[in-house]
Amino acid sequence: RKEVEQDPGPFNVPEGATVAFNCTYSNSASQSFFWYRQDCRKEPKLLMSVYSSGNEDGRFTAQLNRASQYISLLIRDSKLSDSATYLCVVNNQAGTALIFGKGTTLSVSS
Amino acid sequence: DVKVTQSSRYLVKRTGEKVFLECVQDMDHENMFWYRQDPGLGLRLIYFSYDVKMKEKGDIPEGYSVSREKKERFSLILESASTNQTSMYLCASSLGGRADIQYFGAGTRLSVL
Repeated sequence: RKEVEQDPGPFNVPEGATVAFNCTYSNSASQSFFWYRQDCRKEPKLLMSVYSSGNEDGRFTAQLNRASQYISLLIRDSKLSDSATYLCVVNNQAGTALIFGKGTTLSVSS
Repeated sequence: DVKVTQSSRYLVKRTGEKVFLECVQDMDHENMFWYRQDPGLGLRLIYFSYDVKMKEKGDIPEGYSVSREKKERFSLILESASTNQTSMYLCASSLGGRADIQYFGAGTRLSVL
C-alpha cells in the first residue's frame, strides 16, 4: 500500500451538493493528520487538522478511522469557491516528516 | 499570520547554470523544508533543516544542496541545472516537530532550458 493514497478525481458537483473524499494511509502508528487545500498554481494551505474524535469547521467535517487507516473530508453545501485540489497529509513512520497525498480535485459548477 | 516568502515566482535558467532559490520565514520556526511538485507526482521532499546549519536529505536530494546560515532563511541550490529540474519548488516552515503543521511559500516555478 502506498503511504498516502487518494482518489485523484476529478469530482464534478453542482453548487449546494455534499461531497466526500477519502484517504488511506499505510503507517498504523501515524499521529498527525491534516487536510490541505491547493488552488490552481498556488501553494498548499492548511484547511484543517484531523482529530481522533472528528472535527468540524463550518461546512467542513473531518473524520479519522484508525482501525481502517483512513481519513475523510466532507464538504456540505458546496460553493464555487470550494473548487480546488484537496491534499491528505499524514506523518511518516519515524514521525520526522509529513507525507502528502497527490490530491483529489474538486470542481463545483453553477 | 505566518509568512513564508520565496524570492522569485518565476525563473528561467539555462542547462548547467547554478541556481539559488531563497526562502525566508518570519515566525522564528525551527524547521524549514524544500519540496518540488510535479503533475502526477505530488509533493516530494528534497531537503529539510531543523536548526541553523543542520540539514537532512529528503526523498529526492540528488542534484540539490541547501544552506541555512540563519534561522529565518533556507536556500536551495541547484549546482548545475538540468532540464529534469524544471518544476514548481515550494518552501515550507513549521514551528513544532517535523510532523507539525507546515506553512508554505507561494512557490517558484523554475524552467530550465
